[in-house]
Amino acid sequence: SQTIHQWPATLVQPVGSPLSLECTVEGTSNPNLYWYRQAAGRGLQLLFYSIGIGQISSEVPQNLSASRPQDRQFILSSKKLLLSDSGFYLCAWSVKGSSEAFFGQGTRLTVV
Amino acid sequence: GQQLNQSPQSMFIQEGEDVSMNCTSSSIFNTWLWYKQDPGEGPVLLIALYKAGELTSNGRLTAQFGITRKDSFLNISASIPSDVGIYFCAGQGGGQKLVFGQGTRLTINP
Repeated sequence: SQTIHQWPATLVQPVGSPLSLECTVEGTSNPNLYWYRQAAGRGLQLLFYSIGIGQISSEVPQNLSASRPQDRQFILSSKKLLLSDSGFYLCAWSVKGSSEAFFGQGTRLTVV
Repeated sequence: GQQLNQSPQSMFIQEGEDVSMNCTSSSIFNTWLWYKQDPGEGPVLLIALYKAGELTSNGRLTAQFGITRKDSFLNISASIPSDVGIYFCAGQGGGQKLVFGQGTRLTINP
């Protein structure tokens, strides 16, 4: 069966520090991968999606970037965090051609 | 772009009551999904709908794909304490990305 791992679960970082969140998927090949941000326990905003290694699409301009160095690995990064980057970050995957997205456990990021 | 309006934003009910929530879209969707999110966790897929008029159940949960393809409904029968959480609808149409509603927060009084 497929599983998705996302870490860390919580993170407190000072303003101006770098960020690296990692997500890996097991049990499937060539998935579509996504990074979402959720503010205040409400709606999900799509940040990045990837259809393959090295292929990243950004949905909104921001202080963050994403990379996909391996087929089942998706990384969310920032060189310098802002206070407004605080939130709940969710990684998700889907099978090619399917709408059904499956989410990781999320990372609660607090920038102080 | 595509937008979803999910209502109600929050619900406070007694244990055992039935629950209804819905989502409406500004455009036609080909797929409707319903998720549940527990506090501090990622959303979990509950039901997927692919045809207009489709009615699908998952235990006490029933969801329907509206005939106009612009709306979907989720019903929960005989609510229990573990139903507490935030429910999200999501839709996709015309090769666009999956769009999420703002969520319905369900609180159950024992």
